[in-house]
Amino acid sequence: DVKVTQSSRYLVKRTGEKVFLECVQDMDHENMFWYRQDPGLGLRLIYFSYDVKMKEKGDIPEGYSVSREKKERFSLILESASTNQTSMYLCASSPGQGAGFFGPGTRLTVL
Amino acid sequence: GENVEQHPSTLSVQEGDSAVIKCTYSDSASNYFPWYKQELGKRPQLIIDIRSNVGEKKDQRIAVTLNKTAKHFSLHITETQPEDSAVYFCAARPTGTYKYIFGTGTRLKVLA
Repeated sequence: DVKVTQSSRYLVKRTGEKVFLECVQDMDHENMFWYRQDPGLGLRLIYFSYDVKMKEKGDIPEGYSVSREKKERFSLILESASTNQTSMYLCASSPGQGAGFFGPGTRLTVL
Repeated sequence: GENVEQHPSTLSVQEGDSAVIKCTYSDSASNYFPWYKQELGKRPQLIIDIRSNVGEKKDQRIAVTLNKTAKHFSLHITETQPEDSAVYFCAARPTGTYKYIFGTGTRLKVLA
């Protein structure tokens, strides 16, 4: 089975802090994604990566950056956390043209 | 830009009845359409998918239909059961990209 793991299930941070969310997949998938999920808005793509060191902006990249130094790991960085970044963050990975598999999510609260 | 509209946002059905969720996509070059089910507090999980060269696909009580001309695709669940209660997301992937465009989700409640 594909396994996608995220470093934390729940995280509480203060405004202005730098926040790192880590995602690891064990199936050698080329593509990795970061989404945020908010009620009524569905899943919105923040960034995605189709290869090591490659990244592309999604629909809502403002306030976020990403890093993919190794194929299995994709990190989401909030440079200076703000209260409007309180959300559920979901990581996903997919092989080439295949379906995406999601991690369990990180519920981030910014106070 | 690319967009996927999903309707309805909530759907309540009696146990044993059928449920239909519809999505419309904007990019005619989309070629892959997965459906995800997300139970409360859990991650979205793929339940069925369809590619643009197929009009219908069925897996037990779940089926997906695709109308490329109208740019519509639908999820059909027959003989619904309480464990079908969840949020369902449709998605479309435009040709030549790796990213998915998701609908806003449908909360399905199956009433016992």
